[in-house]
Amino acid sequence: KAGVTQTPRYLIKTRGQQVTLSCSPISGHRSVSWYQQTPGQGLQFLFEYFSETQRNKGNFPGRFSGRQFSNSRSEMNVSTLELGDSALYLCASSPTGGKDGELFFGEGSRLTVL
Amino acid sequence: GENVEQHPSTLSVQEGDSAVIKCTYSDSASNYFPWYKQELGKRPQLIIDIRSNVGEKKDQRIAVTLNKTAKHFSLHITETQPEDSAVYFCAASRPQGAQKLVFGQGTRLTINP
Repeated sequence: KAGVTQTPRYLIKTRGQQVTLSCSPISGHRSVSWYQQTPGQGLQFLFEYFSETQRNKGNFPGRFSGRQFSNSRSEMNVSTLELGDSALYLCASSPTGGKDGELFFGEGSRLTVL
Repeated sequence: GENVEQHPSTLSVQEGDSAVIKCTYSDSASNYFPWYKQELGKRPQLIIDIRSNVGEKKDQRIAVTLNKTAKHFSLHITETQPEDSAVYFCAASRPQGAQKLVFGQGTRLTINP
């Protein structure tokens, strides 16, 4: 079974621009979560989607948004980029959500904002 | 809000010795406590997890203990090997929200040969 796939792996943007990151979960997994990883703040939860609905949301500003498609693929968007948005963005999938604990992470998309 | 404190931030042990990493959580409603290992440049991977109805769980050289009263949980690695060198993250989540993990800051474990 293929793992969680994230694209692009690396990208560089400038302040004020927007970015869209993509995540394809493991086949059959319906829950997709997004995390931001930085050296200073560690791993922080952004949001989770299940069956095309946002089920949980972290404490990030409205510039961070996401969506999930009917095939469970997910995208996240960051608008009006700031320097502090530079981070590794990790996507994780799980089979059904809720009680099933294990998250399967992708390799991440490393965003650099200049 | 929910918070998970993890200590130590760095840990260096001799190969063959044991390593212990400790975490404290603030949300008494948390009931799921996983540990993830992240090797340099790689994705985090689950190594062991424990639910609040269990006090201890073991898997070969690794074990996790949970003290619900004190809101503490710990990771124990015995007979450490060079491939155990990585960053380890503890996390906690509430019922029906296992995907919304609150992570500790991580512990960089180095195994010295």
